[in-house]
Amino acid sequence: QLQLLESGPGLVKPSETLSLTCTVSGGSISGSHYYWGWIRQSPEKGLEWIGSIYYSGTTYYNPSLKSRVTISVDTSKNQFSLKVDSVTAADTAVYYCASPGELDPNVFDFWGLGKMVTVSS
Amino acid sequence: EIVLTQSPATLSVSPGERATLACRASQSVSRNLAWYQQRPGQAPRLLIYGSSRRATGIPARFSGSGSGTEFTLTISSLQSEDFALYYCQQYNNWPPAWTFGHGTKVEIK
Repeated sequence: QLQLLESGPGLVKPSETLSLTCTVSGGSISGSHYYWGWIRQSPEKGLEWIGSIYYSGTTYYNPSLKSRVTISVDTSKNQFSLKVDSVTAADTAVYYCASPGELDPNVFDFWGLGKMVTVSS
Repeated sequence: EIVLTQSPATLSVSPGERATLACRASQSVSRNLAWYQQRPGQAPRLLIYGSSRRATGIPARFSGSGSGTEFTLTISSLQSEDFALYYCQQYNNWPPAWTFGHGTKVEIK
């Protein structure tokens, strides 16, 4: 059974870069044939898909966030990461990493616990 | 962007009763729609994908239906653990531009 765990700072200053890492256990990113994703949740916007990455490094981003987001993968560490540049209070949210399983590559069957990130000076 | 509208925002149901939740898409998503359950303090949990397919380990009291722009999640006989938030997600686009609805809260009547 796949397990995912987000890590990174819980407090980021406005205009700085938010950085989170998702560590995968119970399975291999490079052995998968689907996209690994980041999703965030805030009271204002609800659940919002941020973007997804394939083990080869191919990425897709939410068009509304594309200019500020970078997702990368490190298969040697079985991790993938998220960076959001120039953050504002609107980026305050719980950030989840998630992955499909064998059922359907477009839905999220496995989720991390979530990481609360607050943007504040 | 495909907008998903869920209704009602809150549904008050007694244990043992049936709950029917709706999700409407702003344009056709074929059958590319999933449902998730979220309990307080937890991550979402996949219930249904492909409009009507139950995910692994999901009880048979959960069923999904619909295609195009109109979808329904039915919980046939509510158990205590079913009082939670429910979200729909569409995945009809490629390249992906996946979106979620804003959720329906199922509360105890």
